Amino acid sequence: GESVGLHLPTLSVQEGDNSIINCAYSNSASDYFIWYKQESGKGPQFIIDIRSNMDKRQGQRVTVLLNKTVKHLSLQIAATQPGDSAVYFCAERVQRFGAGTRLTVKP
Amino acid sequence: DVKVTQSSRYLVKRTGEKVFLECVQDMDHENMFWYRQDPGLGLRLIYFSYDVKMKEKGDIPEGYSVSREKKERFSLILESASTNQTSMYLCASSPHTGTGDGYTFGSGTRLTVV
Repeated sequence: GESVGLHLPTLSVQEGDNSIINCAYSNSASDYFIWYKQESGKGPQFIIDIRSNMDKRQGQRVTVLLNKTVKHLSLQIAATQPGDSAVYFCAERVQRFGAGTRLTVKP
Repeated sequence: DVKVTQSSRYLVKRTGEKVFLECVQDMDHENMFWYRQDPGLGLRLIYFSYDVKMKEKGDIPEGYSVSREKKERFSLILESASTNQTSMYLCASSPHTGTGDGYTFGSGTRLTVV
């Protein structure tokens, strides 16, 4: 069946470094993707989204890149801060979520 | 702030019990969703509703049912709880536009079935 998956379950970075979280999807007809952040004890919160007619979208300190050729998207966080420590999910619409990558930021 | 409130933070139920998980949103959203979240599996959609008294199956509806009698309330029902339904359950709501920034999740109910 169709799936959305993340490449690494955990990622550890130094404060101030850039973080890159990757996600792959299987359905070539997928047209809308969302990145969510989930802090401990809370529900997921919207970070940024991208439609399939775009390759790149930028927000505040975050950038999402979409490569439709290889069915891959990534979330880049610039100058990672301790408050960025959380689990990050990519989702195809709100039907299919990846398993999540736990980002830990070391001071 | 948009609020999605789940009635219980933690629940412990016995196998075979009928379990009700309640979710209430206060922003007049048309869409409501129930997910379960398990380690290594991410969020999986159980059921969703686009309007009062309407419901649609998600990816894993087996063993669950839902009720939406009022726009602000969406209930998830486990007719006969089983240990494999031990999980974190998340409710979400959104307006009809369906864009990601419109989705608001509750904080979750951690259900343990013993």
